[in-house]
Amino acid sequence: ILNVEQSPQSLHVQEGDSTNFTCSFPSSNFYALHWYRWETAKSPEALFVMTLNGDEKKKGRISATLNTKEGYSYLYIKGSQPEDSATYLCAFKGNGGFKTIFGAGTRLFVKA
Amino acid sequence: GAVVSQHPSRVICKSGTSVKIECRSLDFQATTMFWYRQFPKQSLMLMATSNEGSKATYEQGVEKDKFLINHASLTLSTLTVTSAHPEDSSFYICSAILQGQETQYFGPGTRLLVL
Repeated sequence: ILNVEQSPQSLHVQEGDSTNFTCSFPSSNFYALHWYRWETAKSPEALFVMTLNGDEKKKGRISATLNTKEGYSYLYIKGSQPEDSATYLCAFKGNGGFKTIFGAGTRLFVKA
Repeated sequence: GAVVSQHPSRVICKSGTSVKIECRSLDFQATTMFWYRQFPKQSLMLMATSNEGSKATYEQGVEKDKFLINHASLTLSTLTVTSAHPEDSSFYICSAILQGQETQYFGPGTRLLVL
């Protein structure tokens, strides 16, 4: 059974704080790791897709790193803003046509 | 671009009735769509992969006669929950991918409550 774990489950920060959270996934048969941002009552939207060990991706104040050998990815948000409040999902896809497996998400609350 | 709509957003029905949920790709053609189910505080669980013009591929444990999937066109997939029961109450969400890509474009989801 392939497991994708995200921690913490939820996180409360003040506006301006920087924060990070973790996605753990199987370290074998890696193909791709996705990060999605899911605001309440909206559709999840893609943030990053990462395929190579050591990959670093950045979009504005949000960045992500990838370690496929040890099976983890970090998502960082610098200077959190209230509009960053959302659930952040990671999704692992293995080689060989396996389905994409989602983590349960990290729910971020940013207080003004 | 790559917008997916889902309808209805919320539905309440009586036990024993059937409910149809539509998933549409608005500005692209989606040869493959996915249907997920999510229970509170849990991850999105893939129910089935829907390919245009062919039968859906169901995940283990998902009853294909209970959850009917039709992908009749390149922009529309439907999920019908037949003879719904209270245990079918859940959040259902669809996604679609562009050909040759892995990123999924999601609909906003449907909250189903079966009384």
